[in-house]
Amino acid sequence: QVHLVESGGGLVKPGGSLRLSCAASGFTFSDFYMSWIRQAPGKGLEWVSFINVGGKTIYCADSVKGRFAVSRDNGKNSLYLQMNSLRAEDTAVYYCVRASPMGVFDYWGQGTLITVSS
Amino acid sequence: DIQMTQSPSTLSASVGDRVTITCRPSQNISTWLAWYQQKPGKAPKLLIYDASSLESGVPSKFSGSGSGTEFTLTISSLQPDDFATYYCQQYNTFSRGTFGQGTTVEIK
Repeated sequence: QVHLVESGGGLVKPGGSLRLSCAASGFTFSDFYMSWIRQAPGKGLEWVSFINVGGKTIYCADSVKGRFAVSRDNGKNSLYLQMNSLRAEDTAVYYCVRASPMGVFDYWGQGTLITVSS
Repeated sequence: DIQMTQSPSTLSASVGDRVTITCRPSQNISTWLAWYQQKPGKAPKLLIYDASSLESGVPSKFSGSGSGTEFTLTISSLQPDDFATYYCQQYNTFSRGTFGQGTTVEIK
């Protein structure tokens, strides 16, 4: 079955960097668009980024544009999120999500918590 | 950006109740709408897509309807496992206003 496992989360100081990884299994990774979606503690869902099968970024939230970059390695069945210049407001659980080209999110990882604090 | 407004924000209901959640986008999105269920500490789960299509494996007690600027999610007979937060999501336009703010269904 479809399995998405995020890693790389943790505590980081404001201005710091972090790279999230997502290991995908149970489906042909190279056939699917992928996304990162985050959820701040006690808040709703925020779409962060969206990448097509070829590695082109289709969408990036204004709140992270210029600081975050999504990428993928189809040979390793992996999705990445490079996060730079982190701010307190980036504190959230980050979900790796499989998506349709239209943007329907059908499988979600368990999430990884990023805490940005001094 | 499209604004997605869900109502109510919180809904108190009893086991066996039929409940309806409404989602209103600020502009016409045809039927490009999905619904998700999220339980505390868990990832969201896709329930409905294209406004009314039931995702595989989702019980038929969940149903969606609507088009344009008004949509509803109905749970026909609330069970203990259904107490959760529900989000609508538009995919007509890639924008920051993708998700509604959520509706929490709690036990009365």
